[in-house]
Amino acid sequence: NAGVTQTPKFRVLKTGQSMTLLCAQDMNHEYMYWYRQDPGMGLRLIHYSVGEGTTAKGEVPDGYNVSRLKKQNFLLGLESAAPSQTSVYFCASHLAGNKNIQYFGAGTRLSVL
Amino acid sequence: RKEVEQDPGPFNVPEGATVAFNCTYSNSASQSFFWYRQDCRKEPKLLMSVYSSGNEDGRFTAQLNRASQYISLLIRDSKLSDSATYLCVVIHGGKLIFGQGTELSVKP
Repeated sequence: NAGVTQTPKFRVLKTGQSMTLLCAQDMNHEYMYWYRQDPGMGLRLIHYSVGEGTTAKGEVPDGYNVSRLKKQNFLLGLESAAPSQTSVYFCASHLAGNKNIQYFGAGTRLSVL
Repeated sequence: RKEVEQDPGPFNVPEGATVAFNCTYSNSASQSFFWYRQDCRKEPKLLMSVYSSGNEDGRFTAQLNRASQYISLLIRDSKLSDSATYLCVVIHGGKLIFGQGTELSVKP
């Protein structure tokens, strides 16, 4: 069982570079989420998707874009990375319905210099 | 005011101690409640759901008070392996809202 897989696990970028983080889940989940976690803070929602072809903004969407072209994949893009985007990024997914448990990927540690 | 607020940590306790974590949430329309555990530099993992009637899972007991918008987690007979950060999580509008976490360190 792969569950939720994030790639890459680590990345160092220079300011202004772009990159895409990939989240893949093999559980046929409708809902997928991207969070960032900074020291001393809980997870903050960047963007989320309630199904293939749909995305919505979360709490901290600025500087990020997302796409959900296939149900199993949720991509997070940074068009022009900034040092403020240095963080740990977590992807999560779950079945439709509020009481369904979210499953998290192992995280991507991103440093922007 | 944050939507979900937790006790500031860290909590440093000896093995065998009982420790309680508190959490409050601001939106009375919140629908579901959970405690997650996060080990250092790893992803959060579900510890337990929280129900209005209270629920217990071994050494862990969770309580929800909707009137006070308050959630608690009690850990009895603490083990070294309980050392982690505990995250209070509330579902509102279909989204998970996380507290900032409370760090627990259990010492021999």
